[in-house]
Amino acid sequence: QLQLQESGPGLVKPSETLSLTCTVSGGSISSNIYYWGWIRQPPGKGLEWIGTIYYSGSTYFNPSLKSRVAISVDTSKNQFSLNLSSVTAADTAVYYCAREPRGIYPYYYYYMDVWGTGTTVTVSS
Amino acid sequence: QSALTQPASVSGSPGQSITISCTGTSSDIGRYNYVSWYQQHPGRAPKLMIYDVSNRPSGVSNRFSGSKSGNTASLTISGLQAEDEADYYCNSFGSSSTLYVFGTGTKVTVL
Repeated sequence: QLQLQESGPGLVKPSETLSLTCTVSGGSISSNIYYWGWIRQPPGKGLEWIGTIYYSGSTYFNPSLKSRVAISVDTSKNQFSLNLSSVTAADTAVYYCAREPRGIYPYYYYYMDVWGTGTTVTVSS
Repeated sequence: QSALTQPASVSGSPGQSITISCTGTSSDIGRYNYVSWYQQHPGRAPKLMIYDVSNRPSGVSNRFSGSKSGNTASLTISGLQAEDEADYYCNSFGSSSTLYVFGTGTKVTVL
């Protein structure tokens, strides 16, 4: 049973960098048919896709966040990580990591089928 | 790319059917059959209910069905049950750079 678990500081100061890690258990992050993503949800608001990474290191980012986001993968630890720089109160949210089945050409998929439980990050001094 | 448009709320009585719409553009929903739907109960992570417009993952009740016409996708819940009360989000592939666009979310209330 694949499980994802987010971890990281629950409180970040304005202008600093938010850093979270997603640990994958029950499966390999190095599978060639899955990508791995970050999604966030501000309090009382909807879901927002942040970015996605493949085990090889290929990344895709939400254009609205691209200048501040970095996503990396550590296959030896079966983890992938999110860094969001220059944070403000608007970045306060529950952050989720998720698995994205992608498939193999020509049969592609775009959805998130396994989610972590989420971790709350508050940006405040 | 702007968020997909969903009604803020939809309600129905137990046993009834309801439909949630999700309106995008010819660049996302209208162009690709990569629409997915997620159910989210308060304080919980989203759960995949439908992918590729109308496919149900294993374990999801067949009371949930999806469809698409033009730039609008729809999620229908038949035989509404109390446990279906939750927020629902649609999602579509956007482009090779903006992989995903989420909907604004719909709160389903079982009367």
